Amino acid sequence: SQQGEEDPQALSIQEGENATMNCSYKTSINNLQWYRQNSGRGLVHLILIRSNEREKHSGRLRVTLDTSKKSSSLLITASRAADTASYFCATGPISSGSARQLTFGSGTQLTVLP
Amino acid sequence: DAGVIQSPRHEVTEMGQEVTLRCKPISGHNSLFWYRQTMMRGLELLIYFNNNVPIDDSGMPEDRFSAKMPNASFSTLKIQPSEPRDSAVYFCASSLAGTAYEQYFGPGTRLTVT
Repeated sequence: SQQGEEDPQALSIQEGENATMNCSYKTSINNLQWYRQNSGRGLVHLILIRSNEREKHSGRLRVTLDTSKKSSSLLITASRAADTASYFCATGPISSGSARQLTFGSGTQLTVLP
Repeated sequence: DAGVIQSPRHEVTEMGQEVTLRCKPISGHNSLFWYRQTMMRGLELLIYFNNNVPIDDSGMPEDRFSAKMPNASFSTLKIQPSEPRDSAVYFCASSLAGTAYEQYFGPGTRLTVT
């Protein structure tokens, strides 16, 4: 199964509202990354949080990491229609020798209604 | 920098034909990744190169798939012979060094095998 699992699978909100997406994972990590994918496009890196960090901000994005619960959340404040996209979390393993490298979850489809 | 460049953007071919996908990573990046994305299986890592050397190809589905990186600025993913179940979007991504850093994705190649 996937290392990172996003929740919810789909989220629909009104423009201006905040959107929160969660990610849970199973094994210890070096870092956790969030990516956005607009329809028909490649993934775009949003933010990387390392295992020794608890919170990180970038513009309207806020990411938290709780290694004890093996979970992370992505908060988008004051959402805009342009934020409509799929959002993926990806976990980087501690050991660079592991068979699998950055492992992506199945994503949260966010729809921001104007 | 132009970002990660992939070609072609779209490929339609008949079952049994050879398909070659191409990727030019961001200059200065030492790691290159090939992913496949489908609705059913999500985003899957196929193979990962570090300094032009394949580190992990355990994600390559079958012997019909092969990847090369002859130099730091070019990689190919070849499918021979292609099958309808290979239809997917194939992404190439590069990073400074493995999964400790963010990955930059190309726009993808949408492959349709009829």
